[in-house]
Amino acid sequence: GQQVMQIPQYQHVQEGEDFTTYCNSSTTLSNIQWYKQRPGGHPVFLIQLVKSGEVKKQKRLTFQFGEAKKNSSLHITATQTTDVGTYFCAGRRGAQKLVFGQGTRLTINP
Amino acid sequence: DGGITQSPKYLFRKEGQNVTLSCEQNLNHDAMYWYRQDPGQGLRLIYYSQIVNDFQKGDIAEGYSVSREKKESFPLTVTSAQKNPTAFYLCATNIGTPSTDTQYFGPGTRLTVL
Repeated sequence: GQQVMQIPQYQHVQEGEDFTTYCNSSTTLSNIQWYKQRPGGHPVFLIQLVKSGEVKKQKRLTFQFGEAKKNSSLHITATQTTDVGTYFCAGRRGAQKLVFGQGTRLTINP
Repeated sequence: DGGITQSPKYLFRKEGQNVTLSCEQNLNHDAMYWYRQDPGQGLRLIYYSQIVNDFQKGDIAEGYSVSREKKESFPLTVTSAQKNPTAFYLCATNIGTPSTDTQYFGPGTRLTVL
């Protein structure tokens, strides 16, 4: 079945450092979504990428969708303590249900 | 949270007991979902329903049951057949058109089976 692998599982950074999480699928995806879950909270939708090679930005967050539509990345520039949480990617193939990656838990040393 | 209510936030049960988790939404969304989250793992789909009186198994439906008698409600029963029921359970609806819809999650219920 479709699998979505996300790395790293954990990342600890100093405040102000950059952070990147990567998502890889075993199959070509029709779209990929990113969610953020704050500690003790629930996942909240951040963004969806649909086109091959697409790049989208939200302030300090940059999202990329690979040319082959099999991988994606989320990069945070100059992390802040408000960025703490777990970031999930979720891929979809055609009309099938979303498949979530394992998540990357980001902790930040202020 | 913002249209999806899951109660209670924390639930404790003894091993061997069935327990029902509630999920109510006032968003008028047709589709509803149940996910399970374990530490260090992503969200895994248990069941989903796209319309009243119809539901489909997800990837890990064994040991769970659902009903969808009303559009607003999609309760999940964790039965005694579920081997490892302790987890964080998230209910969700979806927003958008088919194949590009995104998930809108409730606040979740943390179930601990003692």
